[in-house]
Amino acid sequence: DAGVIQSPRHEVTEMGQEVTLRCKPISGHNSLFWYRQTMMRGLELLIYFNNNVPIDDSGMPEDRFSAKMPNASFSTLKIQPSEPRDSAVYFCASSFGAGLAGDTDTQYFGPGTRLTVL
Amino acid sequence: AQSVSQHNHHVILSEAASLELGCNYSYGGTVNLFWYVQYPGQHLQLLLKYFSGDPLVKGIKGFEAEFIKSKFSFNLRKPSVQWSDTAEYFCAVNARGNNRLAFGKGNQVVVIP
Repeated sequence: DAGVIQSPRHEVTEMGQEVTLRCKPISGHNSLFWYRQTMMRGLELLIYFNNNVPIDDSGMPEDRFSAKMPNASFSTLKIQPSEPRDSAVYFCASSFGAGLAGDTDTQYFGPGTRLTVL
Repeated sequence: AQSVSQHNHHVILSEAASLELGCNYSYGGTVNLFWYVQYPGQHLQLLLKYFSGDPLVKGIKGFEAEFIKSKFSFNLRKPSVQWSDTAEYFCAVNARGNNRLAFGKGNQVVVIP
């Protein structure tokens, strides 16, 4: 099993540019999560999908952030326009369950994308 | 919404010392509990988890955690740490029926050889 795949691993961009982060969940998993990790705020859940449908996007900082999941094997997180305060590591995670069956709730994390906005 | 507290954010100890990291959560219903580890520069990896049954859970690399429902706690322990245990450790909780995980702020553990 390849695990959760994220790309790119590192992204350096200038303020105002559009940034797109990509995630491929583990095959067969039906829940996908986007997190942001910073020194100041720790791990924050931005949004999560179940069966490709956004369930909770209350963690999305503002309208500059958007996420899509067009199919079960692909999701994107887009920041437009990017700002220096968006610099962070963005993790994608997936799980098999929808919070109903206990053991299937385990989330498996990807390697992350380290974003630097200059 | 549930929240998770981890104390003693920075822990420094010598090899062979025992480690205990505290985790308390606030939620009155049934929960699932997790400990994740993040080695320097790497992603989060599952260390152990509790869903039901024996409240003493054994995980990988000699770690264990005990769920004490009356104290809303899920403390992580390892009797004898190694240099390779240097990492950040995160406790996480989700309410049964809601797969939104709440993470603690993490414990940065440094093991001195």
